[in-house]
Amino acid sequence: SQQGEEDPQALSIQEGENATMNCSYKTSINNLQWYRQNSGRGLVHLILIRSNEREKHSGRLRVTLDTSKKSSSLLITASRAADTASYFCASGGSGAGSYQLTFGKGTKLSVIP
Amino acid sequence: DAGVIQSPRHEVTEMGQEVTLRCKPISGHDYLFWYRQTMMRGLELLIYFNNNVPIDDSGMPEDRFSAKMPNASFSTLKIQPSEPRDSAVYFCASGTQGMNQPQHFGDGTRLSIL
Repeated sequence: SQQGEEDPQALSIQEGENATMNCSYKTSINNLQWYRQNSGRGLVHLILIRSNEREKHSGRLRVTLDTSKKSSSLLITASRAADTASYFCASGGSGAGSYQLTFGKGTKLSVIP
Repeated sequence: DAGVIQSPRHEVTEMGQEVTLRCKPISGHDYLFWYRQTMMRGLELLIYFNNNVPIDDSGMPEDRFSAKMPNASFSTLKIQPSEPRDSAVYFCASGTQGMNQPQHFGDGTRLSIL
């Protein structure tokens, strides 16, 4: 079953604006990962944050993790038309089988030039 | 370096036919995953292998689905007989050992069962 849930399901913004997507999960995790999927393509890994980290940056991406609320957010700053894609969070569980990832249903981001 | 390679990219076949999807993982990766993606259910893990051995196949929907990994560079997902509800995009992904490692996805096989 899908554990992660992204919010919103769809987001439309103007180029140059920031985009924020949220993710919630249900069980204990070892790490949380964000992926991007362009139309007709496979998922591409963007960033991973460990359960003992609260914030991580990579270029224009900023990810936060709140394990007490079982939630994460992905911020894309100064968005570009090329950022148009679906974004998925994936939780890596702790304990046995922890190498499995559980994906949410994604946020579809449209960046209007 | 070459990424995960899946074939075919598209498959259209009639109900009842056997379907075989193929995957070549990234060299050196010891984990291989098969996923199915649909609008209704999102991305579902079907089965994963570690060092060519199936570890968890609890996501395989029915006995009509089977997966093999005869060696470190090749895996197949077979559906026999196929049904219209099997229509989906099937992804293969590979990764290296370790809990904090990303997975690398192929571009998928878009399967349509008529």
